[in-house]
Amino acid sequence: QVQLVQSGAEVKKPGASVKVSCKASGYTFTSYDINWVRQATGQGLEWMGWMNPNSGNTGYAQKFQGRVTMTRNTSISTAYMELSSLRSEDTAVYYCARGYTELLWFGELFLEYYYMDVWGKGTTVTVSS
Amino acid sequence: DIQMTQSPSSLSASVGDRVTITCRASQSISSYLNWYQQKPGKAPKLLIYAASSLQSGVPSRFSGSGSGTDFTLTISSLQPEDFATYYCQQSYSTLQTFGPGTKVDIK
Repeated sequence: QVQLVQSGAEVKKPGASVKVSCKASGYTFTSYDINWVRQATGQGLEWMGWMNPNSGNTGYAQKFQGRVTMTRNTSISTAYMELSSLRSEDTAVYYCARGYTELLWFGELFLEYYYMDVWGKGTTVTVSS
Repeated sequence: DIQMTQSPSSLSASVGDRVTITCRASQSISSYLNWYQQKPGKAPKLLIYAASSLQSGVPSRFSGSGSGTDFTLTISSLQPEDFATYYCQQSYSTLQTFGPGTKVDIK
């Protein structure tokens, strides 16, 4: 079945970097984007960015520009999210999610709609001195 | 960035109630609006995409409507397994954003 399996929990010191992995199975890895979303304890969902595993193209939320890097290894169907210069506010659960594009007939033409349909279980990153 | 707001931030309801959650975008996003359900300790689950299309496997008591800036998620008859937090998300922009969430709990 289609699934995304994420790496295990991490504990990091302020100023360090963390790299979380997301291994895809059950579908063609290079055919769909991978998005990263994080959630601090008791808080809402925060979209961090996306990556196209085929081209390697990325798009990052302005908040994370300069601190986040999303990469992939297509030979093992795995996406990575690296966040640098960690601070306590980065303590959160980090999710990867598949970005799916669907063509829908809307009125008089087809339009592409994008949503996140498959999610990993999340990786807890704790930043503490 | 496109800002998303939701109302209410929380609500209490009983099993069998009709529940409506509203989501508003800071600019027109056509129908590029998705809804997710999240239960404590779990990853979000896609319910509705393109404002009103029901994701496969999602019960028909869930429905979505709206376009432009104003959207609604409706649960026609609340079931015990529906107590959760609901998020809207815009995919109009490649820089996506989520709403702050609406927590639905037991009255």
